[in-house]
Amino acid sequence: GAVVSQHPSRVICKSGTSVKIECRSLDFQATTMFWYRQFPKQSLMLMATSNEGSKATYEQGVEKDKFLINHASLTLSTLTVTSAHPEDSSFYICSARYTGGGNQPQHFGDGTRLSIL
Amino acid sequence: AQTVTQSQPEMSVQEAETVTLSCTYDTSESDYYLFWYKQPPSRQMILVIRQEAYKQQNATENRFSVNFQKAAKSFSLKISDSQLGDAAMYFCAYRSGGGSEKLVFGKGTKLTVNP
Repeated sequence: GAVVSQHPSRVICKSGTSVKIECRSLDFQATTMFWYRQFPKQSLMLMATSNEGSKATYEQGVEKDKFLINHASLTLSTLTVTSAHPEDSSFYICSARYTGGGNQPQHFGDGTRLSIL
Repeated sequence: AQTVTQSQPEMSVQEAETVTLSCTYDTSESDYYLFWYKQPPSRQMILVIRQEAYKQQNATENRFSVNFQKAAKSFSLKISDSQLGDAAMYFCAYRSGGGSEKLVFGKGTKLTVNP
């Protein structure tokens, strides 16, 4: 149980393109999903918290107009990198937490490697 | 703000032996959760073990156990009978017990298992 699917696993595209990444909780409902960015050999940095049915909460320094987040259902959140540039190249990982709360951990997707040429 | 520190960028262990990865954290909260996540070369983050701060008993999951010292704000991970499949990056993480669900990660420790 507690499977999180992230798609696509890898994207290579030209500068200026917008890229959409999907994060789905397959066997549980997630009111809250999280989007992280990971640079090579570094830790995960939280970009934003995605809340179902409301606006995402962005971390300081993350451009909300650059990284659009939509959480339209209890099982799907999307991250769109708009007008991507080479500096946006990174590994993006989503996670989801069971709506039931308590001490439920976050479950992570497999990540998306984004390469902007 | 909470911080998580992993002071060992890299560690190595012989297969079948025991290794301990260290983690310290800084917080003014009394209610929180601590986690160890494993990230193998496939890059997926896998939950290894978790600890509720209010529990005095150290969590264990098969070959994995923690040494939780709340007063010292220390949360080390012990891997017994190390296996080749244990080789990965290990991240220690903190989550507040209050309204915020944010995970704060340490910088990670790369574990190598030698045959």
